[in-house]
Amino acid sequence: AQSVSQHNHHVILSEAASLELGCNYSYGGTVNLFWYVQYPGQHLQLLLKYFSGDPLVKGIKGFEAEFIKSKFSFNLRKPSVQWSDTAEYFCAVNHGDSWGKLQFGAGTQVVVTP
Amino acid sequence: DTAVSQTPKYLVTQMGNDKSIKCEQNLGHDTMYWYKQDSKKFLKIMFSYNNKELIINETVPNRFSPKSPDKAHLNLHINSLELGDSAVYFCASSHRGVYEQYFGPGTRLTVT
Repeated sequence: AQSVSQHNHHVILSEAASLELGCNYSYGGTVNLFWYVQYPGQHLQLLLKYFSGDPLVKGIKGFEAEFIKSKFSFNLRKPSVQWSDTAEYFCAVNHGDSWGKLQFGAGTQVVVTP
Repeated sequence: DTAVSQTPKYLVTQMGNDKSIKCEQNLGHDTMYWYKQDSKKFLKIMFSYNNKELIINETVPNRFSPKSPDKAHLNLHINSLELGDSAVYFCASSHRGVYEQYFGPGTRLTVT
């Protein structure tokens, strides 16, 4: 069965530290990749997405992600986090389904301390 | 303006009851989704409708019945509620195909 794995369930770091969250998927065909963020008490918002082209994609709020096809990975990065980046981060994969069906990873809780 | 709205935001009810959650989007999208987020924050798709037609129906108990009166609305009716139904239910919408999905604020359902 297809799966989406986020290896870190909880990450605690200080402001100005760099952040990298891992996401791996198991599907060998064409994929479309997303990172969503859920701030405390809020709904999910799209951070960035990858469909094709440049494997390094830039999103909102200084986030970027790199698609490495050979590693089935789509890791999220931010060079310098802020307290306001405290949130739950979800990787999501569309396994070539034309209806846009998304499979989500289990999420990573990120806590940024002042 | 709220893009995807859900009502109610909180729902507390007893086992065995029947309840509905409503979702509306004003983004002009033609595809809507229901997701369930469990206590561990794991999100799983339940249903999707495109232009009032059911297109995704995951393995969900048939106590859950979605209804889409028009492409701007997707409601979720749950019969005979069970403790395990306690979760946050998110509605989302998008254009047909693989596009960004816009999520609603969620409905926290607690079954006692």
